[in-house]
Amino acid sequence: AQSVTQPDIHITVSEGASLELRCNYSYGATPYLFWYVQSPGQGLQLLLKYFSGDTLVQGIKGFEAEFKRSQSSFNLRKPSVHWSDAAEYFCAVVPYTGGFKTIFGAGTRLFVKA
Amino acid sequence: GAGVSQTPSNKVTEKGKYVELRCDPISGHTALYWYRQSLGQGPEFLIYFQGTGAADDSGLPNDRFFAVRPEGSVSTLKIQRTERGDSAVYLCASSQSGNYQETQYFGPGTRLLVL
Repeated sequence: AQSVTQPDIHITVSEGASLELRCNYSYGATPYLFWYVQSPGQGLQLLLKYFSGDTLVQGIKGFEAEFKRSQSSFNLRKPSVHWSDAAEYFCAVVPYTGGFKTIFGAGTRLFVKA
Repeated sequence: GAGVSQTPSNKVTEKGKYVELRCDPISGHTALYWYRQSLGQGPEFLIYFQGTGAADDSGLPNDRFFAVRPEGSVSTLKIQRTERGDSAVYLCASSQSGNYQETQYFGPGTRLLVL
C-alpha cells in the first residue's frame, strides 16, 4: 500500500545536539518529497522540498534532508538543535501521478531539553 | 502581506448540526486546499480547488462534506449532520497556481468540536 511512515512518534534531544528525523515512503515511483514543521499556535510551514537532482537539499532554519532512493527515505537533519526547534515535524509526499494530493505522515514530535 | 486566514478559530457544535468553516487565501492565489487533522495525526487531504472549480475532491470522506469557492477566492467547507468523529482541526492552504512545486501556505486552522 502507498504510505508515508515516520517511525518515531517523539524524539528528545539536548540543545546543541544533532538531530535526525526519519521518513520512509512506499510508492511505485519516487514521489515529490517535503518536510513541514508545525509549532504550537502556528500554521504548518514548509522547511524544504525535493523533486529531482542533488539528493541533499537545504531548507530554512538550518535544516537539510537527504533523499536515498535505495532506502526509500527522506530523512531530516540539523547539526545543532535550538530550543525553538521544539515542534511537530511532518514528512509529506505528492505521488508522481499528476495529481495534487499531498499525503502527510503521522508526524514526529521533537522535544528539546536544556 | 496577509497570510491565509480561517474563521472561526474554534467551533463547538452539537451532533447533527450543520457547520460552515471559512478560508480566506492569500490574495492572488488560484489554488486552495482543505485538510483535516485529527489529534495525533498528520493532515489528511480533503479537496483541492483551482479557481472556482474543485479539481480533486477525492479526500472528502462522505456526502456530508461539501466545499465551495464561488468567486475563486474565499472558500467555505460545509459539514451537514455533524458527527462526533468530525471533531478535528480543519486546515486550509493556498498556493499561487497549484503547481506541485509551489509552496503551500497554511492557515492557523479551525478547531471543530462536535459534542
